[in-house]
Amino acid sequence: EADIYQTPRYLVIGTGKKITLECSQTMGHDKMYWYQQDPGMELHLIHYSYGVNSTEKGDLSSESTVSRIRTEHFPLTLESARPSHTSQYLCASRGWNIQYFGAGTRLSVL
Amino acid sequence: GQQLNQSPQSMFIQEGEDVSMNCTSSSIFNTWLWYKQDPGEGPVLLIALYKAGELTSNGRLTAQFGITRKDSFLNISASIPSDVGIYFCAGQWNSGNTPLVFGKGTRLSVIA
Repeated sequence: EADIYQTPRYLVIGTGKKITLECSQTMGHDKMYWYQQDPGMELHLIHYSYGVNSTEKGDLSSESTVSRIRTEHFPLTLESARPSHTSQYLCASRGWNIQYFGAGTRLSVL
Repeated sequence: GQQLNQSPQSMFIQEGEDVSMNCTSSSIFNTWLWYKQDPGEGPVLLIALYKAGELTSNGRLTAQFGITRKDSFLNISASIPSDVGIYFCAGQWNSGNTPLVFGKGTRLSVIA
């Protein structure tokens, strides 16, 4: 059982709002990831972290930002949400070559 | 960069049939992982493979790490309706200090 949690599960907001998607894991993993996925489509890596104070951009350019102040916490922030940000956002963490995913946050920007 | 080719992209099968899907890489991998994603959920790990030639089962699922280290396949025997979902392969080509490379997924539909 993976101990990685994402909140909220669903979020509907208006254009221009600032939002933060939360991701926490209790497995002590150093490596954490954020993916963006449209329904039924492939996974796109947008951010990752090797540990505290480490953040890297992924393969897909994203207007979101991330921070890693604590090992267990890897939040993603959108300063000004737009309809093009509507998607599912999946957080993951990895330990010893096994990567675990959270249940995701389904974001809709109106 | 690393690329994974996963096929087929989608499958429609009758309940009770066996299913096979595969992934091929442009480079040698030292780890292969297979995930299943249900609608609205995150991917869940099904099987992890770490050695060339390794054959591993998890219930009705069987996966193999190809001898060339550039491919892997997943078989599902006697499919049931709850097998519906998207199956992703993922590979790691080094010691683990780079993100996993994911295939684009195989979308499985099971007709009762």
